[in-house]
Amino acid sequence: ETGVTQTPRHLVMGMTNKKSLKCEQHLGHNAMYWYKQSAKKPLELMFVYSLEERVENNSVPSRFSPECPNSSHLFLHLHTLQPEDSALYLCASSTRTGSNQPQHFGDGTRLSIL
Amino acid sequence: QKEVEQNSGPLSVPEGAIASLNCTYSDRVSQSFFWYRQYSGKSPELIMSIYSNGDKEDGRFTAQLNKASQYVSLLIRDSQPSDSATYLCAVIVAAGNKLTFGGGTRVLVKP
Repeated sequence: ETGVTQTPRHLVMGMTNKKSLKCEQHLGHNAMYWYKQSAKKPLELMFVYSLEERVENNSVPSRFSPECPNSSHLFLHLHTLQPEDSALYLCASSTRTGSNQPQHFGDGTRLSIL
Repeated sequence: QKEVEQNSGPLSVPEGAIASLNCTYSDRVSQSFFWYRQYSGKSPELIMSIYSNGDKEDGRFTAQLNKASQYVSLLIRDSQPSDSATYLCAVIVAAGNKLTFGGGTRVLVKP
């Protein structure tokens, strides 16, 4: 079983749909992250959670809504997305936020907006 | 100026040769540096971390850090076709204490 599991792996949705991405980590980590990876652009940090508390919201539009019910699970709720939101969404976790802590990534959800 | 910069490549390397990847960063007080490997369609995989000036070796990989010049490099010795991937440099930027990624360098190892 991989350390960080994301579902679904692929998602196609219309602009008016509501869907959720799920991330689960089995590493005993206390920090979890959402990243967006678009073609030909660096990984962009979206949200950071530490012990279920959001500590960073990196100027992300409100059509993306994160939820962290416990330190092992992280969700990204999506509604009324735009075509430019099509990307690979990656979840990561680390022991804690802060220096010297590498992050471990899930396999991502490939999102396509029609 | 981008916080973390890498040459996008592709860096074409013959099998068995050394691949040399460079990364520069703008935040002078950064303390933690990482190299990730990402195969096409897959997630980034941590391959090296380095925190002190000098070299750090792990198998065929060597990371080199020079804080005075604000660069970190990755050497891949005896390159194999399976090393063909995009290599991402990541730096913990002091401001906000967040992990910031470069755009990645695509490496192609040709048999």
